[in-house]
Amino acid sequence: NAGVTQTPKFQVLKTGQSMTLQCAQDMNHNSMYWYRQDPGMGLRLIYYSASEGTTDKGEVPNGYNVSRLNKREFSLRLESAAPSQTSVYFCASSEWGGAATEAFFGQGTRLTVV
Amino acid sequence: AQSVTQLGSHVSVSEGALVLLRCNYSSSVPPYLFWYVQYPNQGLQLLLKYTTGATLVKGINGFEAEFKKSETSFHLTKPSAHMSDAAEYFCAVSKAGGSYIPTFGRGTSLIVHP
Repeated sequence: NAGVTQTPKFQVLKTGQSMTLQCAQDMNHNSMYWYRQDPGMGLRLIYYSASEGTTDKGEVPNGYNVSRLNKREFSLRLESAAPSQTSVYFCASSEWGGAATEAFFGQGTRLTVV
Repeated sequence: AQSVTQLGSHVSVSEGALVLLRCNYSSSVPPYLFWYVQYPNQGLQLLLKYTTGATLVKGINGFEAEFKKSETSFHLTKPSAHMSDAAEYFCAVSKAGGSYIPTFGRGTSLIVHP
């Protein structure tokens, strides 16, 4: 059982370049999330998708877009990368509502923008 | 809005000593509370969670946490630290205010000395 799979694991971009971070989960979860992790800041929510067909902004959405391609896949796009977007990005998934279940995380994507 | 405060960005203990990592939350409704652990260069994984019922929750690797409503706290403890416990620990809350989106604290880095 792979859980949550993120690609790529590492990426270096030049300022102004674009890229898409891919995320797929095989647990049939309704909800998916993108977080960024920066030293001393914990995990901050960028965007989330409560269910297939819906997406909403989180705490730090500026400079990002997302697509919930289907129930399994949730991608994060940087249209014009900036050095401030250097971070570790985590995708997560969980059930939504009902009994509380935890979020399951991917291994992360380390992005450096130079 | 829900929030979590983790007291102390770094906690240092000797091997065999008690581990205490502090977490306080704010919530206008009964929360779901979680502790996650992140080992170097990995994603987060669940240590334990509180939803309803027994306020003392046991998790993996000998960790436990106690939900104290009067103190709005959910501190994580382990009687005897092992070198392998060295990691980043995150407290998280969900369901507060009706949202199931996990909100994370800033994390506490546990350092274990031989």
